[in-house]
Amino acid sequence: GAGVSQSPSNKVTEKGKDVELRCDPISGHTALYWYRQSLGQGLEFLIYFQGNSAPDKSGLPSDRFSAERTGGSVSTLTIQRTQQEDSAVYLCASRDGGGPGAKNIQYFGAGTRLSVL
Amino acid sequence: DAKTTQPNSMESNEEEPVHLPCNHSTISGTDYIHWYRQLPSQGPEYVIHGLTSNVNNRMASLAIAEDRKSSTLILHRATLRDAAVYYCIPPVQGAQKLVFGQGTRLTINP
Repeated sequence: GAGVSQSPSNKVTEKGKDVELRCDPISGHTALYWYRQSLGQGLEFLIYFQGNSAPDKSGLPSDRFSAERTGGSVSTLTIQRTQQEDSAVYLCASRDGGGPGAKNIQYFGAGTRLSVL
Repeated sequence: DAKTTQPNSMESNEEEPVHLPCNHSTISGTDYIHWYRQLPSQGPEYVIHGLTSNVNNRMASLAIAEDRKSSTLILHRATLRDAAVYYCIPPVQGAQKLVFGQGTRLTINP
């Protein structure tokens, strides 16, 4: 399809396990974002990739969270030693064009619902 | 970075116009205002954006106050499918990340 694709759609894991969440952005989009949405916190920014620039990791809540983007396309968000408070919907978005600009039109995937038991 | 204020919730009837307000009194002269919405069990989707003048697209209209301290998203004829949380997004310097506040939960009555 032409939209942002995320997998898996649902993930149940046990506390302490590592998880990997995948995002396939829209082809040709140079900017990629990860957000998460939890009941208590709303929608919050995690990390941003723009082309070959160093990622903006300012939203990552702890060093258990990391993300990479290979070849300027697919991105993987990894959460190590998951905790119950990591339970949330993790959303990926991509945007066309580089750098700051007037249009901040981000296209979101449907998200991965992570449940940590 | 600018901040926005929106009502927590609003309710309207099907096929009636809906006006969703947003206050952004700290916005600077060159900052665009973007609106997104999130339907149940979906990721957010872009609705509209504007700078100074009123804007229209197939989804909605955006009316921006002359002093740019507030704006109103207008759905001309609401349908049940317009029930969603609507976010007025303030501009953020640098990374263009979206900063989501609480948004306005719009309920549409049949």
